[in-house]
Amino acid sequence: KNQVEQSPQSLIILEGKNCTLQCNYTVSPFSNLRWYKQDTGRGPVSLTIMTFSENTKSNGRYTATLDADTKQSSLHITASQLSDSASYICVVSVRGGYQKVTFGIGTKLQVIP
Amino acid sequence: GAVVSQHPSWVICKSGTSVKIECRSLDFQATTMFWYRQFPKQSLMLMATSNEGSKATYEQGVEKDKFLINHASLTLSTLTVTSAHPEDSSFYICSARDLEGGSYEQYFGPGTRLTVT
Repeated sequence: KNQVEQSPQSLIILEGKNCTLQCNYTVSPFSNLRWYKQDTGRGPVSLTIMTFSENTKSNGRYTATLDADTKQSSLHITASQLSDSASYICVVSVRGGYQKVTFGIGTKLQVIP
Repeated sequence: GAVVSQHPSWVICKSGTSVKIECRSLDFQATTMFWYRQFPKQSLMLMATSNEGSKATYEQGVEKDKFLINHASLTLSTLTVTSAHPEDSSFYICSARDLEGGSYEQYFGPGTRLTVT
């Protein structure tokens, strides 16, 4: 069964600090992995997308890594800001015509002053 | 980047009535759109895959007669919740796939909050 597990479920950090969110998956055959940021009551917004051959991708203060061998990904947030408070969702797509996706449950990040 | 809009952003309706939610891709053509439902503190759950010009494909456990999906054009898909009940109250999100360049990127709409009283 295709699964995406994220940890921690929730995290509170001080403004300005760094943090790393984890994503482990068992999805196969793998196509791509995406990290999304979802603010409360809003739709997810794409942060990064990585295919099998990519092992790191940056988007501003967000850096995602991918180890396709161990089926693990991480999202590192540098110098956190209050606006980073949101849920971060790891999404893995299956290779194939419809690119079926499996969502992680997300990590709820709260950045406090 | 590509933009997906949803309308309305929130709606309150009485039990037994029907509600239509629109999903539009504003600056790209989307042959495939997806409809998700998200309950509080849970992940997005795929309800159905909507393909332009053909019948939608529903996920197991989703009643196709209750959640009517129409994808009449390359930029518009609609979800109609028929005979809504309080347990249908949820956050409904659509996404559209932009196939240009083969990126398979999915862009999400802002969501529609449905409350059934």
